[in-house]
Amino acid sequence: EVQLVESGGGSGQPGGSLRLSCAASGFSLSGYSMNWVRQAPGKGLEWVSYISSGSDNVYYADSVRGRFTISRDNVKNSLFLQMNSLRDDDTAVYYCTRGPYRISGAEGYWGQGTLVTVSS
Amino acid sequence: QSVLTQPPSASGTPGQRVTISCSGSNSNIGSHYVYWYQQFPGTAPKVLVYGNNQRPSGVPDRFSGSKSGTSASLAISGLRSDDEATYYCATWDDSFSGVVFGGGTKLTVL
Repeated sequence: EVQLVESGGGSGQPGGSLRLSCAASGFSLSGYSMNWVRQAPGKGLEWVSYISSGSDNVYYADSVRGRFTISRDNVKNSLFLQMNSLRDDDTAVYYCTRGPYRISGAEGYWGQGTLVTVSS
Repeated sequence: QSVLTQPPSASGTPGQRVTISCSGSNSNIGSHYVYWYQQFPGTAPKVLVYGNNQRPSGVPDRFSGSKSGTSASLAISGLRSDDEATYYCATWDDSFSGVVFGGGTKLTVL
């Protein structure tokens, strides 16, 4: 069974840092590109970042570029999001997702999400 | 404003068939596979449709996705009260170099 489990959320101060992790199980992470998607309270879904299966291609939403860094460890089957220079509007539930994909239409999966609250 | 355009709301009565549209462009829906998600308040989105029209195991065949050109749609037949949720479409966008979402459609079962 495919599972994605996020962790690392919590409270952070404006200008501070947090590191999110996503543990994948039930499949080999090395075979898939991955995304981080977030949802602010009462709002819709917002894509944050993408990383290709071999980490050679990474993309970011304009709202986080230069502040967030996506990475992965295919050996440990884990995905990460380093969040620096946090802002109030980064407050959201962050989801680790497999799909949508840049090329294929393979089945997608989402984690349960981890809440990040940025407040002074 | 979302790159993909969905109606903010839709409604139907039990047993009816409703359709939710998702409009995009050549750089997104026109070139890539569409996904549909169902989300209940306080929970993570659930994949309803992937690859334009494929259903994950466990998703009833009352839900069906289709795509034509730069638009896609999600049809729900035999509407039930527990279908009340918000539905999102998503796909990759070449111009944006990222995943784009619709703004979400809140479905009400009258």
